[in-house]
Amino acid sequence: SYVLTQPPSVSVAPGQTARITCGGNNIGSKSVHWYQQKPGQAPVLVVYDDSDRPSGIPERFSGSNSGNTATLTISRVEAGDEADYYCQVWDSSSDHYVFGTGTKVTVL
Amino acid sequence: EVQLVESGGGLVKPGGSLRLSCAASGFTFSSYSMNWVRQAPGKGLEWVSSISSSSSYIYYADSVKGRFTISRDNAKNSLYLQMNSLRAEDTAVYYCARVVDTAMANWFDPWGQGTLVTVSS
Repeated sequence: SYVLTQPPSVSVAPGQTARITCGGNNIGSKSVHWYQQKPGQAPVLVVYDDSDRPSGIPERFSGSNSGNTATLTISRVEAGDEADYYCQVWDSSSDHYVFGTGTKVTVL
Repeated sequence: EVQLVESGGGLVKPGGSLRLSCAASGFTFSSYSMNWVRQAPGKGLEWVSSISSSSSYIYYADSVKGRFTISRDNAKNSLYLQMNSLRAEDTAVYYCARVVDTAMANWFDPWGQGTLVTVSS
């Protein structure tokens, strides 16, 4: 089955840039989506189709995808960005949706 | 406003059954595929099952195949998950999520607030 690997944690100072990676075999050939989940809340879509943002999501959130790695970038990090982040793809070979292992972003 | 509200969670003994419901509003429910996703306490997200708009296509995670059944009633704007032969490892918050489908990709937006299922003796 298809596996998506994320770093367990990323720490960043306010105002700096956080980069969260999502590794998968030839993930660049798939469409990657990213979700933010704050404690006790449901996940929220922050980036879809590699690099598009839903309405209401700040421009500080951006995404890219190439080769074996997709990346969610959070620019000018704020305290409110502290959350868990998950990548997700559709694996057509198994007809399964797959989530990444999740990354906890801590704002120092 | 697009809204998804889950219900039906609770405490059940191992081997028991439970039926979850998800009430949808604010959009044309019959035009969208829907999913169930779960999250065990302190763990990550796990996709459980997916159903197409007309119920023609249904998919399950290997961990629940043969025990769980997804269904929908488009007349009632409702999604269901029948869970049988429950195990301790099925303990989780269960979310329903709408699938946004394009020709090239599909993602989940929005999600419901979740309902907690606890399997314990």
